[in-house]
Amino acid sequence: GAVVSQHPSRVICKSGTSVKIECRSLDFQATTMFWYRQFPKQSLMLMATSNEGSKATYEQGVEKDKFLINHASLTLSTLTVTSAHPEDSSFYICSALQRTGAQETQYFGPGTRLLVL
Amino acid sequence: SQQGEEDPQALSIQEGENATMNCSYKTSINNLQWYRQNSGRGLVHLILIRSNEREKHSGRLRVTLDTSKKSSSLLITASRAADTASYFCATDEGAYKYIFGTGTRLKVLA
Repeated sequence: GAVVSQHPSRVICKSGTSVKIECRSLDFQATTMFWYRQFPKQSLMLMATSNEGSKATYEQGVEKDKFLINHASLTLSTLTVTSAHPEDSSFYICSALQRTGAQETQYFGPGTRLLVL
Repeated sequence: SQQGEEDPQALSIQEGENATMNCSYKTSINNLQWYRQNSGRGLVHLILIRSNEREKHSGRLRVTLDTSKKSSSLLITASRAADTASYFCATDEGAYKYIFGTGTRLKVLA
């Protein structure tokens, strides 16, 4: 299957700093990527849809100024958690949409664990 | 809102036994995926089954899909201690959005 990578896999930062997480589709181009977050022992929740060359679409309750998304190329989307606070500590997972002819499949990255001290 | 719901929430079995997990969803889907997540680790893709498929196999894994009942099952045969993890189903509700279920925590005892 297609491969999606995330970097970094783990990050620890101080409260008030900003953290950037990268999501890359390694062997296909993805005009659409998604960002999810997962709290401990809970399921993944969609945060936003990232479209290459346009503004991201955020789900209800997700602060767009807090979670900045940039999809500057067909293989890279970034999520920046601005002025991170301990409550932002979570597991962030991206996915990329692969289109092959009429078939569309979403592939998930391995995730990034963020710990804000 | 969460669409997929796994059942049971937790499952504990002996090594060598089979483990069955179920996933139900509410709306029509294009496909359904199963993922495994070890504690504190990322998602590992297991199987994708499309809405026009009824069953798929991958090694010791067998996934079924019943679109009339809006449900899917994941069967792990001859379980091993290394299969201990949380298992999630993910459904696409259109517009490319995937909804993850709450997961089944599987514990395989050696």
